[in-house]
Amino acid sequence: DAGVTQSPTHLIKTRGQQVTLRCSPKSGHDTVSWYQQALGQGPQFIFQYYEEEERQRGNFPDRFSGHQFPNYSSELNVNALLLGDSALYLCASSLNLWGGEQFFGPGTRLTVL
Amino acid sequence: GENVEQHPSTLSVQEGDSAVIKCTYSDSASNYFPWYKQELGKGPQLIIDIRSNVGEKKDQRIAVTLNKTAKHFSLHITETQPEDSAVYFCAASIQGNTPLVFGKGTRLSVIA
Repeated sequence: DAGVTQSPTHLIKTRGQQVTLRCSPKSGHDTVSWYQQALGQGPQFIFQYYEEEERQRGNFPDRFSGHQFPNYSSELNVNALLLGDSALYLCASSLNLWGGEQFFGPGTRLTVL
Repeated sequence: GENVEQHPSTLSVQEGDSAVIKCTYSDSASNYFPWYKQELGKGPQLIIDIRSNVGEKKDQRIAVTLNKTAKHFSLHITETQPEDSAVYFCAASIQGNTPLVFGKGTRLSVIA
């Protein structure tokens, strides 16, 4: 049973560029949440997708957007990258919105130069 | 909104000793408290969780206690082993309603 997978593993971008990160949830899960983890900090909630709609959003600007596909996989897009966007981006999947435990993927390390 | 404080930020113990990590939360409506272990280069892995209808939960060498009145919960690891070395995060949420709010993490080092 495959767990949560994310791609790419690492990514280097320059300020002002745009980036797309991808996530496939654990088999059987229908809800995907994205978190940003800055170095030395705990993960911070960005947004959650369920039934292809954004259901909840954390305190992040609208430069951060996402999408969920019919197969439950998800993308995180960040526009107009800033140096401060450098972080580990984690995807977590669960069943039925917040009803069950969240399983995290290994993350995508984004570096903005 | 919810705020979670975690202490200590770093903890070193001798192999075989116990380790305790403490967290406090601010929202009395929170009812779900998971603990995650994050090893270098990996995503957080759930190791144990507790819901507000119980005061203690144990799984082999790991236990979690919850004091709803004081709004704090703790992770206890007994008979620590070198492979327990990692960063541990506590989190809180209103299950079924809100996202997880994480503490800042505790870096645990188990010295052989």
